[in-house]
Amino acid sequence: SYVLTQPPSVSVAPGKTARITCGEDNIGSVHWYQQKPGQAPVLVIYYDSDRPSGISERFSGSNSGNTATLIISRVEAGDEADYYCQVWDSSSDQYVFGTGTKVTVL
Amino acid sequence: EVQLVESGGGLVQPGGSLRLSCAASGFDFSDYSMNWVRQPPGKGLQWVSYISSASSTIYYAGSVKGRFTISRDNAKNSLFLQMNSLRAEDTAVYYCARRTHDYGDAFDIWGQGTLVSVSS
Repeated sequence: SYVLTQPPSVSVAPGKTARITCGEDNIGSVHWYQQKPGQAPVLVIYYDSDRPSGISERFSGSNSGNTATLIISRVEAGDEADYYCQVWDSSSDQYVFGTGTKVTVL
Repeated sequence: EVQLVESGGGLVQPGGSLRLSCAASGFDFSDYSMNWVRQPPGKGLQWVSYISSASSTIYYAGSVKGRFTISRDNAKNSLFLQMNSLRAEDTAVYYCARRTHDYGDAFDIWGQGTLVSVSS
């Protein structure tokens, strides 16, 4: 079955750029969610690189076909959270979430 | 305010059953496909099930197929998840989530979650 591998953790200093990868061959379009402790997930990027209304422009995304990347620019303390990628797997009619990445702001 | 509120979680013995509900408000519920997503304690997100706006299309994760049943009542703005033959590995916070119209097939609105604990 589909497995979306993410790095377990990423550490970044305030003001720097964090990059979170989501890997799978021929990955397709990817959505990204942010989840803070004790809260429900929030959609931060859809269709690889588009931002929903209300999401900071510091969040962006890219997709090379084999690896999708969430980019958080000018990182702030409030960005500390778990981040998950998600795709729709049409071969099995299932949504798949990535393994998740904990972002720590140093 | 657009909102989803889950209820029905609790402690149940292995092999038991539980029915979760999700009450929608602030939007035309009958226009949207809906999902259940769960998160075991300290672990990542797992998609559970999908139902289209008119209930014509339903999908399940392999781990729950044959044990869980998703349904909805558009007249009552409600989504349900009937969970039978529960196992310890079904222990999780269960979220209902709306599939967006505006952002492809992503989930744009989530409830706060309801905890299901399966233990003897």
